[in-house]
Amino acid sequence: KQEVTQIPAALSVPEGENLVLNCSFTDSAIYNLQWFRQDPGKGLTSLLLIQSSQREQTSGRLNASLDKSSGRSTLYIAASQPGDSATYLCAVKESNFGNEKLTFGTGTRLTIIP
Amino acid sequence: GAVVSQHPSRVICKSGTSVKIECRSLDFQATTMFWYRQFPKQSLMLMATSNEGSKATYEQGVEKDKFLINHASLTLSTLTVTSAHPEDSSFYICSARDRGHGGYTFGSGTRLTVV
Repeated sequence: KQEVTQIPAALSVPEGENLVLNCSFTDSAIYNLQWFRQDPGKGLTSLLLIQSSQREQTSGRLNASLDKSSGRSTLYIAASQPGDSATYLCAVKESNFGNEKLTFGTGTRLTIIP
Repeated sequence: GAVVSQHPSRVICKSGTSVKIECRSLDFQATTMFWYRQFPKQSLMLMATSNEGSKATYEQGVEKDKFLINHASLTLSTLTVTSAHPEDSSFYICSARDRGHGGYTFGSGTRLTVV
């Protein structure tokens, strides 16, 4: 059974700093990995999607990497801003056929201090 | 990009009544939609997979007679919480996969409070 863990559970950093969020998964046979952000009481917003054949994806100040063999992904946020404060979730999809289930991590609650 | 619309965003109902939550894919067709439940400060737990034109697939431990799912068209799935009780109070989120993009798009969620 796939298990996804995110460390740390909560993180507070001053505005302007660069930071890294971690995601690990127990079964490396994944199809893709997706990073989301969730604002309090809201749904999920997709940030980055990394296919299993890819090493990283970038969007603006965000960069996500994937090391499938070691079961790890990181989300790098450059020059953090107060608007980045949210809960960040990673999720893995194990296969493309017959099983579209996403397994979510436990989330990291990020607070950017102005 | 792909957009999933979920309504209502908040609902308060009396114990014993039923509540319907709608999930619509606005600019793409979704043969499969997913319903999640999220408890405070916890991650999302998949409840069921909704398949257009066929029965939903429920995860272990989820009561299919309590959480009725209907996926009557390629753009609409509904979740009905029947005979709701206070312990059903939670945040419910739907999602769908845009096959063109490959990733999953989520609705804005529904906060259900049963009093």
